[in-house]
Amino acid sequence: GAGVSQSPRYKVTKRGQDVALRCDPISGHVSLYWYRQALGQGPEFLTYFNYEAQQDKSGLPNDRFSAERPEGSISTLTIQRTEQRDSAMYRCASSLDSANEKLFFGSGTQLSVL
Amino acid sequence: GESVGLHLPTLSVQEGDNSIINCAYSNSASDYFIWYKQESGKGPQFIIDIRSNMDKRQGQRVTVLLNKTVKHLSLQIAATQPGDSAVYFCAETDNYGQNFVFGPGTRLSVLP
Repeated sequence: GAGVSQSPRYKVTKRGQDVALRCDPISGHVSLYWYRQALGQGPEFLTYFNYEAQQDKSGLPNDRFSAERPEGSISTLTIQRTEQRDSAMYRCASSLDSANEKLFFGSGTQLSVL
Repeated sequence: GESVGLHLPTLSVQEGDNSIINCAYSNSASDYFIWYKQESGKGPQFIIDIRSNMDKRQGQRVTVLLNKTVKHLSLQIAATQPGDSAVYFCAETDNYGQNFVFGPGTRLSVLP
């Protein structure tokens, strides 16, 4: 596609529910990143993939968070048993190559946990 | 819509003046740096990048300066325009991983 596409744009859920956030990167981009951004702060790294391989998941806050990219394209970030503190903007980004290339960001999914 | 940077440091400049936004980093192994611009309701947008083998790089109306000795990065915007109003983030990474670390951000406000 022309840019990084994320869905849904907004997600409101009740505490304890599971949510799945989708990212469709720019076609042909090797690397895909997930970031979380709180109001007034810079994006905080969660995890990234090169092709289908998850290279680094050190930024995932706990084991309720997981991500996959099974075919090396679309990625899903799943949060199980959501908590209010999970409320944030979740941003996906992709880059053409794996060797220190600029990131292209999507518009994000705003998650609100009630 | 989303509001970005409600409590960020703010730099206010007159339209037409030059702006300088600064960023300090702590990882001496960082070797690739990017400046991003983020407007309200949008994702960060790439502005300019620089690798550690350079100390200056110029783009259209923007210049990035890198001082590795003091681990400092700056973004200079010439002839600042109202459309430059946004939050600006620096980001860094090193050869040991691909994890980009973002700075806290600076809000640029352009006064008419």
